[in-house]
Amino acid sequence: TQTVSQSDAHVTVFEGDSVELRCNYSYGGSIYLSWYIQHHGRGLQFLLKYYSGNPVVQGVNGFEAEFSKSDSSFHLRKASVHWSDSAVYFCAASRGSALGRLHFGAGTQLIVIP
Amino acid sequence: EAAVTQSPRNKVTVTGGNVTLSCRQTNSHNYMYWYRQDTGHGLRLIHYSYGAGNLQIGDVPDGYKATRTTQEDFFLLLELASPSQTSLYFCASGQGRGTIAEQFFGPGTRLTVL
Repeated sequence: TQTVSQSDAHVTVFEGDSVELRCNYSYGGSIYLSWYIQHHGRGLQFLLKYYSGNPVVQGVNGFEAEFSKSDSSFHLRKASVHWSDSAVYFCAASRGSALGRLHFGAGTQLIVIP
Repeated sequence: EAAVTQSPRNKVTVTGGNVTLSCRQTNSHNYMYWYRQDTGHGLRLIHYSYGAGNLQIGDVPDGYKATRTTQEDFFLLLELASPSQTSLYFCASGQGRGTIAEQFFGPGTRLTVL
């Protein structure tokens, strides 16, 4: 069974703090991993993705994520959050042969207190 | 800029009703997807397509039909709607293959089945 797990349903931080949103996966074989952001009442927007190469990938708005094969993880980080980063963040995974279908985690709601 | 539009944005129907959700993309993408979003489940794939006339079954297809009439247009059909299908529905498009992990989402359709 292919699964994507986001262990934290909610994360609350203050503006200017660093944050890490956790994602673990259970997949065999080659895997694409990505993160999406969903602001309230909006559709999902792509943040970043990893397939191979440098395990640390950079995304928009100062977000980065690090792939770890040994930990089966793809955690999202930001060094200094802004109140506008408040949103729900989804981790997603896809197998290379899967015609682009994504499996999503349940999402983590990030609340940034100004 | 890539664009995915959905209509209607909100829909209320009764149990047993017939509902069609529409999606159009102007990205020239081959792949299109229908998801439902429910609290605690993230997004779950209903149906998807990699071209006009093609249909693939997703992870939660029961009670749904889909049709891809053109490269741009993808429809989701609920022929006998049930309260369990009350949800937020998202359409997405993607190029697939080398950009598998990156999809572009529409704004969503909120469906209520009474």
